[in-house]
Amino acid sequence: GQQLNQSPQSMFIQEGEDVSMNCTSSSIFNTWLWYKQDPGEGPVLLIALYKAGELTSNGRLTAQFGITRKDSFLNISASIPSDVGIYFCAGLIQGAQKLVFGQGTRLTINP
Amino acid sequence: GAGVSQSPSNKVTEKGKDVELRCDPISGHTALYWYRQSLGQGLEFLIYFQGNSAPDKSGLPSDRFSAERTGGSVSTLTIQRTQQEDSAVYLCASSLRGGEKLFFGSGTQLSVL
Repeated sequence: GQQLNQSPQSMFIQEGEDVSMNCTSSSIFNTWLWYKQDPGEGPVLLIALYKAGELTSNGRLTAQFGITRKDSFLNISASIPSDVGIYFCAGLIQGAQKLVFGQGTRLTINP
Repeated sequence: GAGVSQSPSNKVTEKGKDVELRCDPISGHTALYWYRQSLGQGLEFLIYFQGNSAPDKSGLPSDRFSAERTGGSVSTLTIQRTQQEDSAVYLCASSLRGGEKLFFGSGTQLSVL
């Protein structure tokens, strides 16, 4: 089945640093989504991307839909303590009814 | 309701007992999904409902797991004869239609002793 390779698996950074993570696949996706999961909660949608090349921002977060439609990245600028959590990418292949999820990137911020 | 609601939020049970987990999707959402998340792991797809039908139940790990949805709304995930390896967070999500962005509930933390 389709797989998403998400990297890095974990990140340990200092407060104020910028963060970058990405997802790649051998399959072509029509939609890319980025979610964040806080401890004890379900994933919350951060950004949705629907067109190849699309670059979308949500506050300090920026995500791009790769031009090949096989990858996407998420950047977080000037990280703050509340950015701690697990970030998941998810992709949707045309005609499919369920998302394919990456394995997640666990972000830890050292004060 | 405003969001996806799951109950109970925590469930502790003894090995061999049956458990039922409930999900109330966002009103008007026709698609409903169940996922399982083991400690520190990613999201494992279990089953997908469109209305009351389950066109994809390929992720159910064994015949001890079953789910139903009634009235195109509430869904119940049932685990029979629970085992310790069933311990995980069970997440429910809904979307307006299949193949669209998902909205998740807070999950049910299941612990099998």
